Amino acid sequence: DQQVKQNSPSLSVQEGRISILNCDYTNSMFDYFLWYKKYPAEGPTFLISISSIKDKNEDGRFTVFLNKSAKHLSLHIVPSQPGDSAVYFCAALGTDSWGKLQFGAGTQVVVTP
Amino acid sequence: DAGVTQSPTHLIKTRGQHVTLRCSPISGHKSVSWYQQVLGQGPQFIFQYYEKEERGRGNFPDRFSARQFPNYSSELNVNALLLGDSALYLCASSLATGTYGYTFGSGTRLTVV
Repeated sequence: DQQVKQNSPSLSVQEGRISILNCDYTNSMFDYFLWYKKYPAEGPTFLISISSIKDKNEDGRFTVFLNKSAKHLSLHIVPSQPGDSAVYFCAALGTDSWGKLQFGAGTQVVVTP
Repeated sequence: DAGVTQSPTHLIKTRGQHVTLRCSPISGHKSVSWYQQVLGQGPQFIFQYYEKEERGRGNFPDRFSARQFPNYSSELNVNALLLGDSALYLCASSLATGTYGYTFGSGTRLTVV
């Protein structure tokens, strides 16, 4: 049962434009959400996170928005850079499964010049 | 500072064989988690260990087992390998259970033939 879903397997964006990655979840016990970035032959690298008590968190070019009522979060990257080309995973932690990260299937982002 | 170290980086095994994967956490981190990432999917939680005790188990068969040593390093063992066990196995370390700072290693790519 996939509790975290990333419905867009790929995204192509021009350098300098905004990248918007979406993530939906079904488990109302999730209270902390994370975004990871993964390059080939490397492990996932933490990017940004958000607690369920907030609706926005910003770190440099990266902003995560959380809509609890819709069980939806999104990651905005502005401006997109060629080095942002990677697979992005949305992950969630819940009070009913502490320490167990639930990942989405990932979105492959390609930033073109 | 050394990050999370996993060994080996790649290996090829035959169906029915046994495999042992190793993970050394970041110095000071006492919790280790294991994840399986099959091509095209997000990482799936296998185990979490803290202070040498199992603190969580994902939906994997009993062929999968793990342990954590007094120095907090960990081993993941898989018996009676199946073709479907071919995947990237990721180790993540964190200070303790219940903390959000998970750092992933680069993984072990297991191919079962």
